[in-house]
Amino acid sequence: GDSVTQMEGPVTLSEEAFLTINCTYTATGYPSLFWYVQYPGEGLQLLLKATKADDKGSNKGFEATYRKETTSFHLEKGSVQVSDSAVYFCALTAPGGNEKLTFGTGTRLTIIP
Amino acid sequence: DAGVIQSPRHEVTEMGQEVTLRCKPISGHNSLFWYRQTMMRGLELLIYFNNNVPIDDSGMPEDRFSAKMPNASFSTLKIQPSEPRDSAVYFCASMGQGNQPQHFGDGTRLSIL
Repeated sequence: GDSVTQMEGPVTLSEEAFLTINCTYTATGYPSLFWYVQYPGEGLQLLLKATKADDKGSNKGFEATYRKETTSFHLEKGSVQVSDSAVYFCALTAPGGNEKLTFGTGTRLTIIP
Repeated sequence: DAGVIQSPRHEVTEMGQEVTLRCKPISGHNSLFWYRQTMMRGLELLIYFNNNVPIDDSGMPEDRFSAKMPNASFSTLKIQPSEPRDSAVYFCASMGQGNQPQHFGDGTRLSIL
């Protein structure tokens, strides 16, 4: 079945550091790929998405590129802020209109001033 | 715009009691999802509805759990009888038609004593 594997946390970085959170997936065909973010005490929010190979999703300085050849969708940000501290989830939906999201286990990110 | 609204935000009750969690999806969204989040198991999909009809309930842990969606603007998740291992944060999410992202509520934090 479909699955998502993401970098285990927790990850701790200093403010203005470069961030990478790795995500790889297993799925048949061309799934849609997502990054969700969960701030403390809140539900998940969509951060960015990509629906076909080589698409780049971007939002709030975060970027991720859909790489079919490596089945990856790594999340990057050039300069993190304390306010980026949260849990980040990589997810996919299978092609063909299936609405179910398959989530990774989440990566807790802490940014220290 | 109002997002997905869940109630209550917190619930503390004794084991054996019936628990009812409520969700109001975003108006116009035709898919609704119930998730459970714990430290041990991460984010699990329990059940989802499309146009008020349950499509996949394979994630419902056991017969003590039931979910209904009597109309397009309301859903409930019921646990009867509740057990301490049901303690978790329960999220509801809704989604519109087409390749749209899921929108999450802020969750209900459930503690069974």
